[in-house]
Amino acid sequence: EAQVTQNPRYLITVTGKKLTVTCSQNMNHEYMSWYRQDPGLGLRQIYYSMNVEVTDKGDVPEGYKVSRKEKRNFPLILESPSPNQTSLYFCASSFQGRSNQPQHFGDGTRLSIL
Amino acid sequence: SQQGEEDPQALSIQEGENATMNCSYKTSINNLQWYRQNSGRGLVHLILIRSNEREKHSGRLRVTLDTSKKSSSLLITASRAADTASYFCATDAGGGTSYGKLTFGQGTILTVHP
Repeated sequence: EAQVTQNPRYLITVTGKKLTVTCSQNMNHEYMSWYRQDPGLGLRQIYYSMNVEVTDKGDVPEGYKVSRKEKRNFPLILESPSPNQTSLYFCASSFQGRSNQPQHFGDGTRLSIL
Repeated sequence: SQQGEEDPQALSIQEGENATMNCSYKTSINNLQWYRQNSGRGLVHLILIRSNEREKHSGRLRVTLDTSKKSSSLLITASRAADTASYFCATDAGGGTSYGKLTFGQGTILTVHP
């Protein structure tokens, strides 16, 4: 089954404790992206990757890191999480990142930073 | 800045009625997409309409695009309780650029009562 898999689905942690949210897709997609979803603000893009070893900032990249060492994986790293990063996070992928291609989303990771 | 903004923010209807949601955007686009998000899940692609198209159908979904007014509408006919979800429009940056980011609106919450 074609899917985007995120882990963990839920995480409660404390300020400053490094964490990684993993994202994996099995569709051989070149394009992958991370979004955060906050009430009243909708979905905002954090980082995106057009292909292996190619990443770029989205609208709200501060406090986040990403890497794309393999085509299928695109982890999101919070080196020193802070409470304002409490949010619902989504990973998405598409074939080549063209805007005429649908994006496929994971089921989300709900992150709480205390 | 928000590219796509949905209206209304929330819509409550009875099963069997039609539901219409609107999306307005600020700058020219190449493509506009509509997504659905069920509670606690990721976004699911519904339909894509290109800037040179005025109307598109997919099952009970009808999407229109008016580039002169920079607006789109999503019509769900004969709604069902299972259509209860949030609906988002997503636009690209236009201007001949068709790669990279989509900008999502804040969504319309649709509730369909049995």
